[in-house]
Amino acid sequence: QVQLKESGPGLVQPSQTLSLTCTVAGFSLTSYNVHWVRQPPGKGLEWMGVIWNTGGTRYNSALKSRLSISKDTSKSQVFLKMNSLQTEDTATYYCARAATYGYFDYWGQGVMVTVSS
Amino acid sequence: NIVLTQSPASLAVILGQKATISCTASESVNKFGINLMHWYQQKPGQLPKILIYNEFSRAPGIPARFSGDEAELNFTLTIEPVEADDVATYYCQQGLTFPLTFGSGTKLEIK
Repeated sequence: QVQLKESGPGLVQPSQTLSLTCTVAGFSLTSYNVHWVRQPPGKGLEWMGVIWNTGGTRYNSALKSRLSISKDTSKSQVFLKMNSLQTEDTATYYCARAATYGYFDYWGQGVMVTVSS
Repeated sequence: NIVLTQSPASLAVILGQKATISCTASESVNKFGINLMHWYQQKPGQLPKILIYNEFSRAPGIPARFSGDEAELNFTLTIEPVEADDVATYYCQQGLTFPLTFGSGTKLEIK
């Protein structure tokens, strides 16, 4: 059974770094790409970046300078780090598995992150 | 970036009638003859769920009430007949180029 689950702090102070973990089950990170997508409260979906099954990464240029995605294949975990957080980074952060044609066939439940002092 | 213009922003439909949601791409999303346009349903308080991929292919378990079509960069999601359980926000997404982009969403309500 394919599962993804995000974990991380619910509250981050402005200018600090956000660290999230996506733990997957039911598939291998050496076979599938995993993406991060976020959604501010009451707003739409924004693609953040991807880590390929090969370990390479690609980021949304709007976030590129602040964002880093990595993984530990042996632990079935994908990591997101984003620095210099501001209030507009308040959102639900999802990790999602990508199918062949660039759509997301499985999503995590999401983790709500609030940026506030 | 490929911009996806989705309309309407909200839609109220009578139970049993048809809902039509439009998503216009700023450029082609076609790769090797396949339109990499996908549709998701997000019910209130829930995570997005894939409905349609590659323009018209239904994801596993998605009923035939949901269908996708395309006419010259204008992609359409049709729900017919609409059921009460379809109350949700619907998003289109292109999978051709990075950054992957989403439409702004269409909120479907029952009239």
